[in-house]
Amino acid sequence: DVKVTQSSRYLVKRTGEKVFLECVQDMDHENMFWYRQDPGLGLRLIYFSYDVKMKEKGDIPEGYSVSREKKERFSLILESASTNQTSMYLCASTFSTGYEQYFGPGTRLTVT
Amino acid sequence: GEDVEQSLFLSVREGDSSVINCTYTDSSSTYLYWYKQEPGAGLQLLTYIFSNMDMKQDQRLTVLLNKKDKHLSLRIADTQTGDSAIYFCAGVFGSSGNTGKLIFGQGTTLQVKP
Repeated sequence: DVKVTQSSRYLVKRTGEKVFLECVQDMDHENMFWYRQDPGLGLRLIYFSYDVKMKEKGDIPEGYSVSREKKERFSLILESASTNQTSMYLCASTFSTGYEQYFGPGTRLTVT
Repeated sequence: GEDVEQSLFLSVREGDSSVINCTYTDSSSTYLYWYKQEPGAGLQLLTYIFSNMDMKQDQRLTVLLNKKDKHLSLRIADTQTGDSAIYFCAGVFGSSGNTGKLIFGQGTTLQVKP
């Protein structure tokens, strides 16, 4: 059974804290993605990675960075969390274009 | 750039058919997907259609693609209360290359009344 796991389901952080969200996939996928989901806006792509140590900005990269040191792991970093980063964060992975994109269960982050 | 649009809400009675609509702007779409998100869960792929197809049927699900109007629809026959969820339309467009990058619509919340 294929699996994408995320380190936390719920997270509460204070403004200004550095936040790490971890994602691990066990399918040997090349491509991994971080999205944020907000009501009425759908999923918006923050960053994606198509290989180890490779990354590309998505549509809303400001305030975020990413790290991919190993193929199976893709981390999203909020350098200095702000209240407007309160959201649901979803990680996904896929082999390539045309293949199913598998999603993790999501991390609901609240920044107070 | 690419844009994918959906209406935000649909309410139907149990047993009726549901039709969820999606429009997109980029004619270079290659693959179009429907994902389902149940409360508190991630997204699950329901079905997909290649851009060279007009229709795909999979049990209670029928996907129709009108390339001329850039319109995609998902029909759920005999809708059940367990179908209540958010449904996302998503597409791979020419600029995505081989990255698998998807562009998502806003999601349609389907409410099924008993």
